This record gives sequence, structure tokens and C-alpha cells, in this order.
Amino acid sequence: NAGVTQTPKFRILKIGQSMTLQCTQDMNHNYMYWYRQDPGMGLKLIYYSVGAGITDKGEVPNGYNVSRSTTEDFPLRLELAAPSQTSVYFCASTDQGYGYTFGSGTRLTVV
Amino acid sequence: ELKVEQNPLFLSMQEGKNYTIYCNYSTTSDRLYWYRQDPGKSLESLFVLLSNGAVKQEGRLMASLDTKARLSTLHITAAVHDLSATYFCAGASGNTPLVFGKGTRLSVIA
Repeated sequence: NAGVTQTPKFRILKIGQSMTLQCTQDMNHNYMYWYRQDPGMGLKLIYYSVGAGITDKGEVPNGYNVSRSTTEDFPLRLELAAPSQTSVYFCASTDQGYGYTFGSGTRLTVV
Repeated sequence: ELKVEQNPLFLSMQEGKNYTIYCNYSTTSDRLYWYRQDPGKSLESLFVLLSNGAVKQEGRLMASLDTKARLSTLHITAAVHDLSATYFCAGASGNTPLVFGKGTRLSVIA
């Protein structure tokens, strides 16, 4: 039982490059989330999804895009990376909104 | 819109002492969570509190919820070095996403 799997674990991007952060869960959870965590701060919601084909913006969506074509996968796309997107990104999922499972995180540095 | 505030943000404790971390939230939240995060790691679930007056304990940690005061507390008893970590509270209502506090960085020193 893998839970929530995030790849890659680490990445260095140059300004203006793009990349996709992958998130996959094997628990058949409907709800999936992307958060970012800046140093010394709590987690801020980027985007979330309540099921395949449905996504919605969170608190800090600018510079990101998501898609949810299957229940299992919820990739986060960064277009035109900027230094302000240097952060640790966490994907999470839940079924009924009771217990949340978090991935191990992706540490991204934009230089 | 739910807002969650924790205090203190930094806490240096002596081993063997007791202390409490406070978590205030701004609007109705029907679930309150406590997480632990070690440096460079993901979040580890500690407690889920669902109802007014709920109290949960695990080892040296005890969490409680007062929905009327919109307050949750995480009490640490007889702190040990292994409890050094960052502790987050987070709230949610209905199907809305979790909203996190900024975290309390706890350092337990000898």
C-alpha cells in the first residue's frame, strides 16, 4: 500500500523553465490537494480536486495549473518558473475528509 | 473563510517541563487536526478532534477542543528531546480543504 506518491523528491529549475510535479494515490480517494510550504511557514493551498474532472483554486494558484483526468493522479504544472516558486510542495488525499494522507514532498528550487 | 492562528510560533522548553500550544480558529470548524513535522520530512498525523470537549492523548501529548471558544490546545507533559519538531494545527469544515496554522517550532533542551 503506497499511499500518496510524489515525484520527483528534489528538483532545481532555471527561471522560465517549466515542469510537472507528479502525485499518485492508490487509495481510491476522491479528494486531492496541492499545498506549498515556505520556510518557517504553514502549508498554503494551491489547488484541489473533489473528483476526476473537477478542480478548483486554492489560496495561492497563480503560476500553477492542475488537471485530474483519473481518480489516482493529480499532477501540478509550473509554467515559467520564478524564484518565488521555490518551496516544498506536498500532495495530499482524503476520502471523506476525515483522515488525510500526505506525500513525502517535492523540494523545488528555482534559480 | 476559516483562519487558523497558532501561538507561540517558537518554543524552547527544558526537558521535564510542561507547556501548552494554542490554536485559535476564526469560524466554525467541525474538525481540528494536529500534525507533527520533523525537519525535511512530511506531516505525521497526531490527533483528529471532532466534537466540543474532545480530548485525545498519546504518550506525552494531549490535545483538546473547545468549539465554543474556537480553541484547541496541545499540551506537552514532561518534555523530552524526541518531541523537538514543528507542530501544526489545521481546521476544516464540511468538504472544504484543510487550513493550516503557521506552526510552532518546539525545541526541547536539556
